[in-house]
Amino acid sequence: AQSVTQLDSHVSVSEGTPVLLRCNYSSSYSPSLFWYVQHPNKGLQLLLKYTTGATLVKSINGFEAEFKKSETSFHLTKPSAHMSDAAEYFCVVSGRGSTLGRLYFGRGTQLTVWP
Amino acid sequence: DARVTQTPRHKVTEMGQEVTMRCQPILGHNTVFWYRQTMMQGLELLAYFRNRAPLDDSGMPKDRFSAEMPDATLATLKIQPSEPRDSAVYFCASGLVLGSGELFFGEGSRLTVL
Repeated sequence: AQSVTQLDSHVSVSEGTPVLLRCNYSSSYSPSLFWYVQHPNKGLQLLLKYTTGATLVKSINGFEAEFKKSETSFHLTKPSAHMSDAAEYFCVVSGRGSTLGRLYFGRGTQLTVWP
Repeated sequence: DARVTQTPRHKVTEMGQEVTMRCQPILGHNTVFWYRQTMMQGLELLAYFRNRAPLDDSGMPKDRFSAEMPDATLATLKIQPSEPRDSAVYFCASGLVLGSGELFFGEGSRLTVL
């Protein structure tokens, strides 16, 4: 079975300081992992993904996530937070086999960025 | 600019009324998903389709919810009769390849049932 646990429901940082959003996963397969972002009153958008190959993946706006199999983690980081990063972030693992197509969402982490 | 379009964006109705939400997926996408988002439950998968055929609707209350794709450009989610516990934001998402994990979400339909 597939599942994800987002370890923090809320994270607050000051603008210009690093961001760390934590995610642990459980999967009976070699997982595909994703981070989605949801800005207020908007739909979710794919931020970055890991499927195979390079374990460090990056988004176009400076976020990174590293797949660590030994730790079953896929934490999201950014060296310097910007006000526009304030949003809710969802860690996601995809299903395989009989659950192909299903996405298993974490409960989300609300990121607040203070000026 | 390709995007998933959902209507209505907001709906307030009374308990017992029928509600229909519509979704236009991105042209060429052959998978469509319906999710429901609430503070208490987070994101819940209700149903999903590939090439207009339902693959899984186990997340839906069968007695009151139904989801269909009359054609490739339209997906519908119907609730009859609606109940206050159905109040939520309903999202439609479409994808090009089943299992890719890359979904494009609409902006949601916010339903309030009084």
